[in-house]
Amino acid sequence: DVKVTQSSRYLVKRTGEKVFLECVQDMDHENMFWYRQDPGLGLRLIYFSYDVKMKEKGDIPEGYSVSREKKERFSLILESASTNQTSMYLCASSLSGMGETQYFGPGTRLLVL
Amino acid sequence: RKEVEQDPGPFNVPEGATVAFNCTYSNSASQSFFWYRQDCRKEPKLLMSVYSSGNEDGRFTAQLNRASQYISLLIRDSKLSDSATYLCVVNKRFDQGGKLIFGQGTELSVKP
Repeated sequence: DVKVTQSSRYLVKRTGEKVFLECVQDMDHENMFWYRQDPGLGLRLIYFSYDVKMKEKGDIPEGYSVSREKKERFSLILESASTNQTSMYLCASSLSGMGETQYFGPGTRLLVL
Repeated sequence: RKEVEQDPGPFNVPEGATVAFNCTYSNSASQSFFWYRQDCRKEPKLLMSVYSSGNEDGRFTAQLNRASQYISLLIRDSKLSDSATYLCVVNKRFDQGGKLIFGQGTELSVKP
């Protein structure tokens, strides 16, 4: 059974804080993704990675950065949190090939005050 | 035009009803198609992949029409536990990164 875990289910931060969201998968998947999900906007891809130390911008990378130092771990960093980054953040992984089934973590609900 | 479009619903149906969702996609080069299910305040989970010849999994049937670029999901004999949001998912062309594009979802509410 594929397992994707995220470091926090709920997080409250203040504007300007640096925020780290961690994601770990245990199935040796090549690809990892970070999305945010907002009402009426659906899932939007922030960044993805298809290999260790590799990263690619998604559709809305502004205000975010990522790190993938190990295959199983993909971190999302909000350099200076803003209120418009209040959202549900979902991490996903897939085996290989970009069109493969993605498996999601439980999500982190981030509130930026 | 959105890359993947779905009727947001909500679809309110009684238990035992048959309900169908449609989804259209804009990228004619798409090769991978899925239906995901998302329960309230939970993560999306794969319901089923969609194959060219159509496929069935118990009460769920998925169809793909490449010529018209739409995908459908049919749920027979609806259960209360089927209440969720159903996301249509399509991949981009390989030269565009091949990433998955998620529709906004169709909300289903099954009532007793």
